[in-house]
Amino acid sequence: DVKVTQSSRYLVKRTGEKVFLECVQDMDHENMFWYRQDPGLGLRLIYFSYDVKMKEKGDIPEGYSVSREKKERFSLILESASTNQTSMYLCASRLGVSYGYTFGSGTRLTVV
Amino acid sequence: AQTVTQSQPEMSVQEAETVTLSCTYDTSESDYYLFWYKQPPSRQMILVIRQEAYKQQNATENRFSVNFQKAAKSFSLKISDSQLGDAAMYFCAYRRRNTGNQFYFGTGTSLTVIP
Repeated sequence: DVKVTQSSRYLVKRTGEKVFLECVQDMDHENMFWYRQDPGLGLRLIYFSYDVKMKEKGDIPEGYSVSREKKERFSLILESASTNQTSMYLCASRLGVSYGYTFGSGTRLTVV
Repeated sequence: AQTVTQSQPEMSVQEAETVTLSCTYDTSESDYYLFWYKQPPSRQMILVIRQEAYKQQNATENRFSVNFQKAAKSFSLKISDSQLGDAAMYFCAYRRRNTGNQFYFGTGTSLTVIP
């Protein structure tokens, strides 16, 4: 089975800190995604990457950046964390356009 | 833009009974995929079922089946013989067929299974 691993299950950071959320997949998937999940809002796409060093903005990229230096790893970066970025962050990967997602278990980030 | 609407924030069902979760979507595309994902307390999203819009036959996976009404843009999920392990948040999702990298998700329905 494909595994998508998010490095932290829970994270607490202070306002203004630079935060890195890491996601690693082990099946050579081309596409990787970062979503944010909030109650009543569902999942919203922050950024995605369809290849190494390639990235595209999703619906809510403001305040975030991403890095994909290796195929298996896709990092989400909060340059200066703010309290409105407190949320659940879900990483997903996919082999290609015709395939469904495999999700990680999520990182619940609290910014205080 | 595509939107996906789940109008039932919470549902409950007695164990062994049947429950239907509703989903409607808005798109001008004719060819696309629809999905139901399950998110249990472990938080990992799991694909339950997938429907291709060009197929008229409703998808079925064991106790899970869909009622896909393309003209009405409706995609409901039926869970038969509900089990305690079915308790989870369920998300409906849409994706365009060929060029669509992005999934569009609904806001979710929290399903409780009553023993």
